[in-house]
Amino acid sequence: GAGVSQTPSNKVTEKGKYVELRCDPISGHTALYWYRQSLGQGPEFLIYFQGTGAADDSGLPNDRFFAVRPEGSVSTLKIQRTERGDSAVYLCASSSLGQGDEQYFGPGTRLTVT
Amino acid sequence: AQSVTQLGSHVSVSEGALVLLRCNYSSSVPPYLFWYVQYPNQGLQLLLKYTSAATLVKGINGFEAEFKKSETSFHLTKPSAHMSDAAEYFCALRGSGGYQKVTFGTGTKLQVIP
Repeated sequence: GAGVSQTPSNKVTEKGKYVELRCDPISGHTALYWYRQSLGQGPEFLIYFQGTGAADDSGLPNDRFFAVRPEGSVSTLKIQRTERGDSAVYLCASSSLGQGDEQYFGPGTRLTVT
Repeated sequence: AQSVTQLGSHVSVSEGALVLLRCNYSSSVPPYLFWYVQYPNQGLQLLLKYTSAATLVKGINGFEAEFKKSETSFHLTKPSAHMSDAAEYFCALRGSGGYQKVTFGTGTKLQVIP
């Protein structure tokens, strides 16, 4: 597709369950970012991939959160033992990585933990 | 360390009136600055960016912003508001030079009154 896509668009899960959120970046974009947006807040950085490697994972809140990008394209954000506080919109963005590069955002996955 | 402050979580203007959304930043290195717009249930879309070239930046949909280093500001303006401008607007900052993570403000919701 032409833009960044994310699946599912909505995910409802029970506290304690495991979830996976998927991001398909724009073809050819080497940089991929995950953000979390809580209600009434701006996006909060989670992790940045350059190619297959996580170049900066300093935003992951704890070890229940993990992300992979095994082939340098699609990325999966994984959350173990979900908590109600994990409820948020999870945004993915990609960029071609240059000076002042623009990040192109997907529509997000709304995660609700009950 | 870097931070972005958006003054006013909600702004209301009449259709045809001037739009002014305020953004102040703090950065220990020369910044790149961005304004994004988010419509309900959609991802963020870049309006404009400042990357150390011209201090007055023109973006899409008639928006512009001026980088003022002495005031550490990057306010977003539009001479005449349209109903279609009603959305949430986010100011964002990253440091220049290589990879730097992006920090977002908390957003300003713009209401346009007919």
